[in-house]
Amino acid sequence: GAVVSQHPSRVICKSGTSVKIECRSLDFQATTMFWYRQFPKKSLMLMATSNEGSKATYEQGVEKDKFLINHASLTLSTLTVTSAHPEDSSFYICSARDPHVPQETQYFGPGTRLLVL
Amino acid sequence: AQSVTQLGSHVSVSEGALVLLRCNYSSSVPPYLFWYVQYPNQGLQLLLKYTSAATLVKGINGFEAEFKKSETSFHLTKPSAHMSDAAEYFCAVSAANTGFQKLVFGTGTRLLVSP
Repeated sequence: GAVVSQHPSRVICKSGTSVKIECRSLDFQATTMFWYRQFPKKSLMLMATSNEGSKATYEQGVEKDKFLINHASLTLSTLTVTSAHPEDSSFYICSARDPHVPQETQYFGPGTRLLVL
Repeated sequence: AQSVTQLGSHVSVSEGALVLLRCNYSSSVPPYLFWYVQYPNQGLQLLLKYTSAATLVKGINGFEAEFKKSETSFHLTKPSAHMSDAAEYFCAVSAANTGFQKLVFGTGTRLLVSP
């Protein structure tokens, strides 16, 4: 089946620094990737949708200058948390869509746990 | 707009007992419905999905769910729980007005299985 990887799996950083999280589709070309944030004991909240070669579409309430998304190739999307603060600590999950399968199908990565000190 | 309500943040069953996880949805247009499972510190794995075909949907690991439009429900069941079923389960909905791509998740139900 389709595989989506994320790197790193966990990261600890100091407040004020920036952190980049990578999401890769390993065996298919993903025209669309999605970034979710999951708070402890809470559901997943869609942050943004990124399409290869175009600007990401952010959900209401998500700061686009805070969470920079780049979908530079058909197999890679990156999420950069800029000037991270402790409240940005969370579990970030990406998913990817393979255009050759039904449009409602998303393949999820294993997630990245971010801890900002 | 779509939304999902999962009743019960925790469900406890004994090994071999019936599993029933409840999900009710709200959607102004015909929905697609999904159940995902999440193991600790991992991403989501699709268990099954309803896409307007058969109302009784069978998924992986012996799970199934029935779409009931009159009750706006999509409850997940498994006849006999196994220890390995212990995980977090999320119900989600998408709809045609987003190309069925935007998933709206419920708050999740943690399934606990005791020996």
